[in-house]
Amino acid sequence: AQSVAQPEDQVNVAEGNPLTVKCTYSVSGNPYLFWYVQYPNRGLQFLLKYITGDNLVKGSYGFEAEFNKSQTSFHLKKPSALVSDSALYFCAVREQQGGKLIFGQGTELSVKP
Amino acid sequence: NAGVTQTPKFRILKIGQSMTLQCTQDMNHNYMYWYRQDPGMGLKLIYYSVGAGITDKGEVPNGYNVSRSTTEDFPLRLELAAPSQTSVYFCASSGPTSGEQYFGPGTRLTVT
Repeated sequence: AQSVAQPEDQVNVAEGNPLTVKCTYSVSGNPYLFWYVQYPNRGLQFLLKYITGDNLVKGSYGFEAEFNKSQTSFHLKKPSALVSDSALYFCAVREQQGGKLIFGQGTELSVKP
Repeated sequence: NAGVTQTPKFRILKIGQSMTLQCTQDMNHNYMYWYRQDPGMGLKLIYYSVGAGITDKGEVPNGYNVSRSTTEDFPLRLELAAPSQTSVYFCASSGPTSGEQYFGPGTRLTVT
């Protein structure tokens, strides 16, 4: 069965510092991997995805994520955090065949000035 | 292009009442989904549909029903509301190949 784990409930970062939000996954076949962001009282917004190809994926708002097959990880990164990046971040996985996503429990990112 | 729209934004129900949460998308997506989001629990899939006339259960379908008579609309029905259904409900849609889902703004439901 598919599963996604986000091991940190909360990540605190100072503005201007690099940030990493961790995600590990488990699927039986090749994974489709996604990151979403949720601002307070809003729906989820798509940030980026990995389907195949280059292991480093670039997405919206300067975010990127690195796919590591051997470690079954898909960590979200940004070189320089902004206060406006403070939000709830969700990792999700989908098996290559099929439409359903499985979401992690979310990581609250707090960026302080 | 409105994307995914949901109505209502907020609703308070009494135990035992019923209601329908509306969801419409204008992207001609085949796939549509209903999730509920509880604090600290992430998103749980309630029902999904791969096209008009086809629906299937997700992870937490009990107490809910859906229909998909058109590509655009995917209403979620609560028949006998219970306090355990207090949650934020999100509708989403996606195309068949790319996989990323587009979410509506959500409906905040309270059952008392």
